[in-house]
Amino acid sequence: ETGVTQSPTHLIKTRGQQVTLRCSSQSGHNTVSWYQQALGQGPQFIFQYYREEENGRGNFPPRFSGLQFPNYSSELNVNALELDDSALYLCASSSSGAHTDTQYFGPGTRLTVL
Amino acid sequence: AQSVTQLDSQVPVFEEAPVELRCNYSSSVSVYLFWYVQYPNQGLQLLLKYLSGSTLVKGINGFEAEFNKSQTSFHLRKPSVHISDTAEYFCAVENTGGFKTIFGAGTRLFVKA
Repeated sequence: ETGVTQSPTHLIKTRGQQVTLRCSSQSGHNTVSWYQQALGQGPQFIFQYYREEENGRGNFPPRFSGLQFPNYSSELNVNALELDDSALYLCASSSSGAHTDTQYFGPGTRLTVL
Repeated sequence: AQSVTQLDSQVPVFEEAPVELRCNYSSSVSVYLFWYVQYPNQGLQLLLKYLSGSTLVKGINGFEAEFNKSQTSFHLRKPSVHISDTAEYFCAVENTGGFKTIFGAGTRLFVKA
């Protein structure tokens, strides 16, 4: 059983560019959540996907968007990058959308916006 | 809306000493409570969670936490820490009718030899 994987590990972009981050969920999991963790802060919820549909969203602007594929892997897209988007982006998968299910986190993608 | 306050940003402690990491939450509805650990350059790992029932919850690596509804607290404890416990610890809350997890800012536990 493989865990949650994310790619790339690190990424450097400039202001105004667009970025796509990828997440492969743990085997058997159909729910993926994305979080933004700024330096020295706790993770902040961006959105959750359950069976290819957006299941809920945090307080992030529309330039943060996502997709979930039939194999339950997921992408996070950020358009018009801003300096404040520099952060560690974490994805977490769980076996269903139930609150009681444990979320398993990937190691994250470190995004730096210059 | 919910919020989580972790009262200490850093906690230094000697090896084999006990430790308590404090967490208070605010919510107008029922919540689930969690503690996660994050080692350097890694994602978060669940230590323990409170869903219902007994207010004393035991987790992995010898950690436990106690849910106190009247004080809206969920403090994490370990009777004897090891060097390998050095990490960032996050308290988190989810309302029982919602979908998103709210995290505190984290407490850095530094275990000294």
